[in-house]
Amino acid sequence: GDSVTQTEGLVTLTEGLPVMLNCTYQSTYSPFLFWYVQHLNEAPKLLLKSFTDNKRPEHQGFHATLHKSSSSFHLQKSSAQLSDSALYYCALSDRDYGSSGNKLIFGIGTLLSVKP
Amino acid sequence: DAGVTQTPRHEVAEKGQTIILKCEPVSGHNDLFWYRQTKIQGLELLSYFRSKSLMEDGGAFKDRFKAEMLNSSFSTLKIQPTEPKDSAVYLCASSGQGSGNTLYFGEGSRLIVV
Repeated sequence: GDSVTQTEGLVTLTEGLPVMLNCTYQSTYSPFLFWYVQHLNEAPKLLLKSFTDNKRPEHQGFHATLHKSSSSFHLQKSSAQLSDSALYYCALSDRDYGSSGNKLIFGIGTLLSVKP
Repeated sequence: DAGVTQTPRHEVAEKGQTIILKCEPVSGHNDLFWYRQTKIQGLELLSYFRSKSLMEDGGAFKDRFKAEMLNSSFSTLKIQPTEPKDSAVYLCASSGQGSGNTLYFGEGSRLIVV
């Protein structure tokens, strides 16, 4: 079945350094990929979503590139901020709404901790 | 617009009790999901409804977990009987065909079973 792998449980960075959170996936088809972010005591919310035309999505300084050849959708940011400290989930969904609706399969999450 | 509303936000139950968690999705959304959130397993899908019909009932959770959607604006998740290993945050999310695959989550119900 479909799956998402996030290899890092915790990433600790100093403010100003670049961020890269890993995400790889397995899927029978060509899925949509997502990054969700959850700040402490808040609901998870969408950060980025892959485009159908392979454009690189960007939001709040974060970006991610879908590489079908390596089945990856790593999250990157050039300079970490203290406010980026949060739990980040990578997820995938089937492109065929008729069969799977908007069901998302999530990774286990990566906790990003940015220190001064 | 109101987002996804979950109640209660916190629940403490004794082992063996029955607890019911509630969720009101975003108005007009057709898809409703229940996820369990733990540090070890991340977000695990418990149930998935589309237009009130149960589309998926997470295999490992069938035993003591039962989700229902009585109408398009209300869903419940019943855990019966509760066990200490059920301690987790239970998240409800909704989505619509026009929302571009985006799931909107509630803030969750934190359950502690003692």
